[in-house]
Amino acid sequence: AQSVTQPDIHITVSEGASLELRCNYSYGATPYLFWYVQSPGQGLQLLLKYFSGDTLVQGIKGFEAEFKRSQSSFNLRKPSVHWSDAAEYFCAVGVTNFGNEKLTFGTGTRLTIIP
Amino acid sequence: EPEVTQTPSHQVTQMGQEVILRCVPISNHLYFYWYRQILGQKVEFLVSFYNNEISEKSEIFDDQFSVERPDGSNFTLKIRSTKLEDSAMYFCASSVRTYGYTFGSGTRLTVV
Repeated sequence: AQSVTQPDIHITVSEGASLELRCNYSYGATPYLFWYVQSPGQGLQLLLKYFSGDTLVQGIKGFEAEFKRSQSSFNLRKPSVHWSDAAEYFCAVGVTNFGNEKLTFGTGTRLTIIP
Repeated sequence: EPEVTQTPSHQVTQMGQEVILRCVPISNHLYFYWYRQILGQKVEFLVSFYNNEISEKSEIFDDQFSVERPDGSNFTLKIRSTKLEDSAMYFCASSVRTYGYTFGSGTRLTVV
């Protein structure tokens, strides 16, 4: 069965510093991979997704992620964080079963930004 | 931008009571989902719904749960007899292919 591991529960970064959030997945086939962000009281917003092709994926809000098959990783990066990036970040793998597309999420990483 | 709307945003119910969580998916979407997130835990898949029937459900989605699309616009999740462990944030989502998910902002259910 598929699974997603986000090893960092909580990360604190200074505003303007670079960011990398780690994600490892387990899935037998070529994965569909996603990063979602959840601000307090809000729903889940898609940052970016990887289906195939170029392993470096660009998303919204200046985020990017790199798929590394050899490491089963899909880490999220941003060169310079802003205070508004403080949120919970979830990595997810998509599994398609007879047309049904189900997401399996990691436990999330809470990002705190300090001035 | 089209949104998935969930109501209410927060519901408190007594243990053993029935509760209905409501969602209005995006109008041209065909696939509908419920996920839940127990406080401090991961977001978990509950059920998917397509062509007026359940297409997949998780082991969490037992006989106490049901889903319905009563009028072609709303999508509801019913919990027949709530338990304390049903307390969670429940997210509705709708989708077009492929993985074109849009999530609602969630309903926080508190069972007391």
